[in-house]
Amino acid sequence: KAGVTQTPRYLIKTRGQQVTLSCSPISGHRSVSWYQQTPGQGLQFLFEYFSETQRNKGNFPGRFSGRQFSNSRSEMNVSTLELGDSALYLCASTLQDTGELFFGEGSRLTVL
Amino acid sequence: AQSVTQLDSHVSVSEGTPVLLRCNYSSSYSPSLFWYVQHPNKGLQLLLKYTSAATLVKGINGFEAEFKKSETSFHLTKPSAHMSDAAEYFCVVSDQGNNNDMRFGAGTRLTVKP
Repeated sequence: KAGVTQTPRYLIKTRGQQVTLSCSPISGHRSVSWYQQTPGQGLQFLFEYFSETQRNKGNFPGRFSGRQFSNSRSEMNVSTLELGDSALYLCASTLQDTGELFFGEGSRLTVL
Repeated sequence: AQSVTQLDSHVSVSEGTPVLLRCNYSSSYSPSLFWYVQHPNKGLQLLLKYTSAATLVKGINGFEAEFKKSETSFHLTKPSAHMSDAAEYFCVVSDQGNNNDMRFGAGTRLTVKP
């Protein structure tokens, strides 16, 4: 069974630009959640989608948004990038009966 | 709401010696508890999980953890460290009564000296 796939793995943007990251969950998983990981703040929850609906949301500004498609694939978007948005963005899909998270390898965003 | 505290930000051991990574949690419901490992520039991989079955949980790579409700702890142990165990470890709590909302600890960086 294929794991969680995130694209792109690495990308470089400049301040003010926007970025879209993609996540394909494990087949059959309907919940996808996103996390931002930085050395200073650690792992922080961004949002969770289930059946195309945002179910939970972390404490991030409105520049961070996401969506989920009918095939459970998810995208997150960050607009008006800031230097502090440089981070590893992790996506995870959930096996609902145990809540166990399966993580992708992440998308490393560098904002210059 | 649930929360989790990893008591050590950094642990250093010698190869072949025991590993102890400490985690305390709080939860209003019957929690599920997890330990994840993250190697550099990689995603998180599940080591083991507790979901209200046996309190001593065995995971991959020789790791195990014991759920102690009276102490609200879920410490991760391994009898003998290997160089490949060097990584970041995260303790995670999920309130089963709270829509599977997961809370992550701040992480413990394990260094293994030769």
